[in-house]
Amino acid sequence: QKEVEQNSGPLSVPEGAIASLNCTYSDRGSQSFFWYRQYSGKSPELIMSIYSNGDKEDGRFTAQLNKASQYVSLLIRDSQPSDSATYLCAVMDSNYQLIWGAGTKLIIKP
Amino acid sequence: KAGVTQTPRYLIKTRGQQVTLSCSPISGHRSVSWYQQTPGQGLQFLFEYFSETQRNKGNFPGRFSGRQFSNSRSEMNVSTLELGDSALYLCASSPDGEGNSPLHFGNGTRLTVT
Repeated sequence: QKEVEQNSGPLSVPEGAIASLNCTYSDRGSQSFFWYRQYSGKSPELIMSIYSNGDKEDGRFTAQLNKASQYVSLLIRDSQPSDSATYLCAVMDSNYQLIWGAGTKLIIKP
Repeated sequence: KAGVTQTPRYLIKTRGQQVTLSCSPISGHRSVSWYQQTPGQGLQFLFEYFSETQRNKGNFPGRFSGRQFSNSRSEMNVSTLELGDSALYLCASSPDGEGNSPLHFGNGTRLTVT
């Protein structure tokens, strides 16, 4: 059974600090990795996608991928209260199936 | 470019009834996926359609069905509704549903079964 694991949280981070969200996956053949943000009662919104090892930056967001360790993370710099949401990690496995983590609830404290 | 459109936004049904939800994907997107999300649960995959064919299916009973039309619009149907079917139903589209294509979600249909 292919799995994507995330700490359910809640992860509480002071405003202005760096929030670090982690995700591990079981299928070593996975090629595409996505981070979605979901506000309560709303639909998931794509934040970042990453396909190769290393870091990918977009504004205050940085996605990090380490395929050898089967680990993908999302860093949010200068966290704002508006970043408070559930962050979902999704992994496209070797059979082109999208496997979802259960999400990490992030709370940014003013 | 318009996003994914789901209708209706809210729906209240009674146990035993059936319901049909509609999804219009982003223009040019040929893959449509459906998900169920209940409070405290992650996204549960229902099925995916591509070029009018069901390409993948999740572990849901046969009461849940779907279809895709030639214009890529999709519908899902739930028959003999149960209380446990109350959930947010999300539709997502992508160009081809493979490889590097992320999903783009609609606003969802919130179904309440009483």
